[in-house]
Amino acid sequence: DAGVIQSPRHEVTEMGQEVTLRCKPISGHNSLFWYRQTMMRGLELLIYFNNNVPIDDSGMPEDRFSAKMPNASFSTLKIQPSEPRDSAVYFCASSLLTGWSNEQFFGPGTRLTVL
Amino acid sequence: DQQVKQNSPSLSVQEGRISILNCDYTNSMFDYFLWYKKYPAEGPTFLISISSIKDKNEDGRFTVFLNKSAKHLSLHIVPSQPGDSAVYFCAASFRSQGGSEKLVFGKGTKLTVNP
Repeated sequence: DAGVIQSPRHEVTEMGQEVTLRCKPISGHNSLFWYRQTMMRGLELLIYFNNNVPIDDSGMPEDRFSAKMPNASFSTLKIQPSEPRDSAVYFCASSLLTGWSNEQFFGPGTRLTVL
Repeated sequence: DQQVKQNSPSLSVQEGRISILNCDYTNSMFDYFLWYKKYPAEGPTFLISISSIKDKNEDGRFTVFLNKSAKHLSLHIVPSQPGDSAVYFCAASFRSQGGSEKLVFGKGTKLTVNP
C-alpha cells in the first residue's frame, strides 16, 4: 500500500491567494483527518470525516478554511484567502476504526508558506 | 488549554542508555494513549499505545507506562540507538466515550541519541 498521499509537498503563495491541499487516504480506511503543525501550537486537529461525512470541524480556525471529502479516496483542504499566519505544515491522516485501535496513519505533509 | 502536555521540548541521551519521555494529561476521561515518532520532512508514525485498563505495554525496546492517578504516562526506550533520534508525540483519546476517534496531541519532545 502506498500509504496516505498528500500533494503538493511544498506550496509557496502570496497573501490573498487561494490554496488547495489534497489528500488520498489509505484504501479501505473510513476516517480522514486534517491536522496543522506549528511551533507555537504543535499538532492540532482541524477537521475529521467518517465515511466521507464531516464529524467534527471545531478545529477549523475560521471561515477562510474549508474541507471536503467527495468520495472515500479523496479530500481537499482549501484556504481562501490565505494569510501569512496560515504558514505551517498540514498533515492528512486516515484510519480504520476497529475495537480499541485509534491508530492513525499520517501522510508526509504539505509545507505551506504564505508570503 | 492544553489537555496533553509534554513539558520537555528536548532530551539528549547517550547511545545504549535509557531514554525516558514524559507526558501529562488533564482530562480524566481519556482512556487510550498513543506515542508517535516523527522524523524531519515525514509524517508522524505510530509507535506504541496503551489503554487505560493497563498500566504497562511493551514492544521490543519500547515500553509505555501509565499512571492514571497521576494522569501521567511515559515512554521508555532501552537501549537507545542513534536511529531513535526524532520528535516523539504523546496523544490521548476518549475511545469509550461515544467512539470518538479524535486524538489530542502534545507538542512533542525532540530526542537526540548521541553515538
